[in-house]
Amino acid sequence: QKEVEQDPGPLSVPEGAIVSLNCTYSNSAFQYFMWYRQYSRKGPELLMYTYSSGNKEDGRFTAQVDKSSKYISLFIRDSQPSDSATYLCAMSFTGNQFYFGTGTSLTVIP
Amino acid sequence: DADVTQTPRNRITKTGKRIMLECSQTKGHDRMYWYRQDPGLGLRLIYYSFDVKDINKGEISDGYSVSRQAQAKFSLSLESAIPNQTALYFCATSDLDRSNYNEQFFGPGTRLTVL
Repeated sequence: QKEVEQDPGPLSVPEGAIVSLNCTYSNSAFQYFMWYRQYSRKGPELLMYTYSSGNKEDGRFTAQVDKSSKYISLFIRDSQPSDSATYLCAMSFTGNQFYFGTGTSLTVIP
Repeated sequence: DADVTQTPRNRITKTGKRIMLECSQTKGHDRMYWYRQDPGLGLRLIYYSFDVKDINKGEISDGYSVSRQAQAKFSLSLESAIPNQTALYFCATSDLDRSNYNEQFFGPGTRLTVL
């Protein structure tokens, strides 16, 4: 069983929709939870990170961590065509080594 | 100019050849990492280094070696390439922020094909 599971999609939504991306994990010792965005032919870039549980909001993006269910989510409000990318979740025990999900491919249709 | 650069960006080689992928950074970070990315498997850590004298194996180090020539340079070598090492390789750097979080910055990647 992989440490981090993520539905690869692809996910296609109309512009303006709310997007929900999710990951599950098996190891309750994870403390750091990250979301990365990766455009085609580019390296991943950090969108948001959360330490321990709870919610974090940054503009149109909201990250949620539910440690009791071992489940994390990224919500994108008012999605834009420029949000079209692959979204990777990642987790870490100590903040040093990171375990990544496989990524979800998102397309926002104008 | 990019903060994290990787050379080459694309490489096609044959089974058994020795290959070196290079990474340079201008961010002044102490920590550097090598990952590979495969469809359906995501990003997996190969090696990481927290300073010039520190080298650590990651999740999938077999078949790879690294060299940290300086704070800014971290190279990945495949001593005898095999086809299942065909993948997209990323270098990353990081440093602890004030909240003790280790944000990683990725390079643009090297696409390696082993025939």
